[in-house]
Amino acid sequence: SAVISQKPSRDICQRGTSLTIQCQVDSQVTMMFWYRQQPGQSLTLIATANQGSEATYESGFVIDKFPISRPNLTFSTLTVSNMSPEDSSIYLCSVGAGQQYFGPGTRLTVT
Amino acid sequence: TQLLEQSPQFLSIQEGENLTVYCNSSSVFSSLQWYRQEPGEGPVLLVTVVTGGEVKKLKRLTFQFGDARKDSSLHITAAQPGDTGLYLCAGLSGGYNKLIFGAGTRLAVHP
Repeated sequence: SAVISQKPSRDICQRGTSLTIQCQVDSQVTMMFWYRQQPGQSLTLIATANQGSEATYESGFVIDKFPISRPNLTFSTLTVSNMSPEDSSIYLCSVGAGQQYFGPGTRLTVT
Repeated sequence: TQLLEQSPQFLSIQEGENLTVYCNSSSVFSSLQWYRQEPGEGPVLLVTVVTGGEVKKLKRLTFQFGDARKDSSLHITAAQPGDTGLYLCAGLSGGYNKLIFGAGTRLAVHP
């Protein structure tokens, strides 16, 4: 298993601003994933982030809106850009091949 | 597009009752996982089932994987308030490391 931390744990942001979420893992991992969980909903995969290559985005998510960095094997960031109230969600990172281990999430509220 | 349909969406029961949650798809998955998520936390892996017809037991929880690897069920015996949470099934898409999540079942167990 892996221990994953995320920062910030929660934030309230104004419309039109951007927020960068950090994900730190206690061991080196190849694949990291970013998910969105809208209020009362299940998880939707935003993108897969591999170290040394561009992130792969799922349908409905684009790099301009959700730029991702993966500078090394233990760290990744997800930026939510030009936010609107519809971006209010929990954002989760996870690691693992097959079985995945999740961070505690970042609860974002956009006003 | 691979989809996982999970039912019921909500379940409110009394302590000591039994319950079953279902996860169905028209697609075949190489494995299927069950997670539990509590408020303010990321999902925590409960079990992974890989072989068609497989049954796994985790204390009062019994997990089954359908023979055709398209469906799964979670049965909880003598539910306790500590079982309260969001239960998510997730299928691993063969050849990829992407998890496809069901909509989730929100379980409330009342003392």
